[in-house]
Amino acid sequence: NAGVTQTPKFQVLKTGQSMTLQCAQDMNHEYMSWYRQDPGMGLRLIHYSVGAGITDQGEVPNGYNVSRSTTEDFPLRLLSAAPSQTSVYFCASSYSRQWSGYTFGSGTRLTVV
Amino acid sequence: QKEVEQDPGPLSVPEGAIVSLNCTYSNSAFQYFMWYRQYSRKGPELLMYTYSSGNKEDGRFTAQVDKSSKYISLFIRDSQPSDSATYLCAMSSLIQGAQKLVFGQGTRLTINP
Repeated sequence: NAGVTQTPKFQVLKTGQSMTLQCAQDMNHEYMSWYRQDPGMGLRLIHYSVGAGITDQGEVPNGYNVSRSTTEDFPLRLLSAAPSQTSVYFCASSYSRQWSGYTFGSGTRLTVV
Repeated sequence: QKEVEQDPGPLSVPEGAIVSLNCTYSNSAFQYFMWYRQYSRKGPELLMYTYSSGNKEDGRFTAQVDKSSKYISLFIRDSQPSDSATYLCAMSSLIQGAQKLVFGQGTRLTINP
């Protein structure tokens, strides 16, 4: 099925560990982004990309890295996990940087202990 | 002050009632006004959108934008238990050639049979 695929669905990390959250889309979308969703805070933009090789920071980029070597994939790397990064992470994509009607993945629930 | 304000609820109404969900905003540069629906443990999905001001109707759902008051609304007529979800308002403006999307906190809605 066409859409945005996120893996893993659940993850528990220890403080200081690193990991990569995977995001892939098969719709040839130009724009991809990562959000985190926390109670009372809504969805906040971490990083985004307007095409392969182009990334930029969002509202809450600290502690996260991204790269986009292909149109399809946009992984999010946690460099040294902290309890404050416990959250639900969503990847979203759009066919154009000028259209904000995003397609979201089903999310990754991350707990840092 | 947040750019987008949304009452998180929760809101609980009986089946068949008319539901009104609202958001206020402060950024007059917003161009697209959107409503996303998010079921429990799922990613948000685009429900409706309006460009600039005015009303838009889709079946039982009506979206309204009042730019003079910086106020948007989503009305659900003949509400059904399947409408139980969190509803997120979102608004975007064009920044450096890309639409930047800002979300409200989301309102959790329960329709009781």
